Amino acid sequence: EAGVTQFPSHSVIEKGQTVTLRCDPISGHDNLYWYRRVMGKEIKFLLHFVKESKQDESGMPNNRFLAERTGGTYSTLKVQPAELEDSGVYFCASSRLGQGRGYNEQFFGPGTRLTVL
Amino acid sequence: SQQGEEDPQALSIQEGENATMNCSYKTSINNLQWYRQNSGRGLVHLILIRSNEREKHSGRLRVTLDTSKKSSSLLITASRAADTASYFCATDRSGNTGKLIFGQGTTLQVKP
Repeated sequence: EAGVTQFPSHSVIEKGQTVTLRCDPISGHDNLYWYRRVMGKEIKFLLHFVKESKQDESGMPNNRFLAERTGGTYSTLKVQPAELEDSGVYFCASSRLGQGRGYNEQFFGPGTRLTVL
Repeated sequence: SQQGEEDPQALSIQEGENATMNCSYKTSINNLQWYRQNSGRGLVHLILIRSNEREKHSGRLRVTLDTSKKSSSLLITASRAADTASYFCATDRSGNTGKLIFGQGTTLQVKP
């Protein structure tokens, strides 16, 4: 079974430019999450999709970030325009819909390292 | 306040020794998960322990959970140089939709 994949692995852009990150979850996983780790800080939740619907986007920092999951398969996270403080590693994770509380093992992708100059 | 705080922040041991990392949290949880991150790589899921479990084993890993103290520990026995990595605990809070709250992590160095 293929794991969660993310593209690109690295991206270096200039302030003000646009970047789109992609995540392909494990096949059959309806839950998809985005997290990020800004240098020196903890990994923070950004948002959660269940299939194509946004379940929770409470962690999105501002309206420069737009996430989509058309068709309930892969997801994209677009940052427009990028700012210096957006630099960090963006992780995607997926999991099956739980059968009850406590059934939510999340599998993470390798992350996309974003550098905004 | 930050949930899922690990201690120590850094740990250095010799190969063959055991490594213990602790994690504390503040609210009720559905489960607690431990992850490993090797330098420059993604997060690898190690083990999940549910709120109604007290101890779980997986190979050289032993995880305990004390919900009364809101704490967990990860024990790696007979450590190897390849265990060198950052370790994170993450909590799935009761009532949440499964989003994980991570701590700062413990950086483990195992010297050969």
